[in-house]
Amino acid sequence: QKEVEQNSGPLSVPEGAIASLNCTYSDRGSQSFFWYRQYSGKSPELIMFIYSNGDKEDGRFTAQLNKASQYVSLLIRDSQPSDSATYLCAVNKGRAGRRALTFGSGTRLQVQP
Amino acid sequence: DVKVTQSSRYLVKRTGEKVFLECVQDMDHENMFWYRQDPGLGLRLIYFSYDVKMKEKGDIPEGYSVSREKKERFSLILESASTNQTSMYLCASSSGGLLSSYNSPLHFGNGTRLTVT
Repeated sequence: QKEVEQNSGPLSVPEGAIASLNCTYSDRGSQSFFWYRQYSGKSPELIMFIYSNGDKEDGRFTAQLNKASQYVSLLIRDSQPSDSATYLCAVNKGRAGRRALTFGSGTRLQVQP
Repeated sequence: DVKVTQSSRYLVKRTGEKVFLECVQDMDHENMFWYRQDPGLGLRLIYFSYDVKMKEKGDIPEGYSVSREKKERFSLILESASTNQTSMYLCASSSGGLLSSYNSPLHFGNGTRLTVT
């Protein structure tokens, strides 16, 4: 079992729709969760992070965390063609002394005009 | 803005060569990281460092070593390059040291695409 799992996609949504991206993780001790966006040929860039159960909103983006189900998701409202990218879920497993993130392999999102 | 600079965008090396990938950050960050990214495998952690001269192995350290002599610079060394080390290498940094908050995001460099022939 991978430590961080994402559906590779592609997830295809029409412009203006809500895109829902999902991520599960295996380590119950995980403490914080990050979503990165990566355009083709570019480096990952941070969208947002969450560490408490529930929802966290930032503009068109909402991160949702359910630690009991070991599940984190990212909702993108009013999807735009410019949102077409690969979305990476990353988890800080929180072991003492380890400040490195473990990444999923990413979900490719395509927003159709 | 945080700037993480990787010295080369593209590199082509021969099997058996010793290869140095350099990374410099300008934000006085304590933590620095080396990942490699391969299709279908995502980003995998090779090594990281939370202080000068300190290093820790990540998930795939075999065939690699690192050096951190100055806070701003973190070098990845391929002792004897092999074809299975052909990959995109990403350097990243984040604030905070060993006892810092877990919420510090990573800031990535532009990546070095290494081809070993």
